[in-house]
Amino acid sequence: GNSVTQMEGPVTLSEEAFLTINCTYTATGYPSLFWYVQYPGEGLQLLLKATKADDKGSNKGFEATYRKETTSFHLEKGSVQVSDSAVYFCALSEKGQGAQKLVFGQGTRLTINP
Amino acid sequence: GAVVSQHPSWVICKSGTSVKIECRSLDFQATTMFWYRQFPKQSLMLMATSNEGSKATYEQGVEKDKFLINHASLTLSTLTVTSAHPEDSSFYICSARRRAGGASEAFFGQGTRLTVV
Repeated sequence: GNSVTQMEGPVTLSEEAFLTINCTYTATGYPSLFWYVQYPGEGLQLLLKATKADDKGSNKGFEATYRKETTSFHLEKGSVQVSDSAVYFCALSEKGQGAQKLVFGQGTRLTINP
Repeated sequence: GAVVSQHPSWVICKSGTSVKIECRSLDFQATTMFWYRQFPKQSLMLMATSNEGSKATYEQGVEKDKFLINHASLTLSTLTVTSAHPEDSSFYICSARRRAGGASEAFFGQGTRLTVV
């Protein structure tokens, strides 16, 4: 079946550092790809998405490019802030039982120190 | 963005009792809601897909008689953990899709931490 593998955490960086969180996937067909963020005590929020190969999703300074040839969707940010501390989930959507389902990676906890 | 509210945010119950968790879409109609379970340091695992007015569709390995799901209206779905045991202790998260269709964004509740003692 479809699956998502994320870079293991936790990741700790200093403020203004460059961030990369790796994500690779296995899927039949052409799924949409997502990054979700979970701030402490809150639910998951959609951070960005890409629906087809070579699409780049971006939001709040974060970017990820849908790479079909490497089956990857790595998350990057040029200069992180303390407020970016959260858990990040990579996910893909697959059709199942009449509804689009999300398959998640295991999550990567990011801590940014001032 | 749209708001999904989950209640309670945490609950402690005795082994053998049942616990109900509510998931509400506050400002939109959700024809489809999803229930996930998250173990510590692990990913969200889909338990079931709930469609308003019909029976939930459970993922392989999820006991439907143990995890009862009801989606009685376009804004409310409930998950009842029946005869809870310590191994049911986990973080349960719901998400809801807008009525607009299968490709629409899913919005997540803040999760419910269940501890069975």
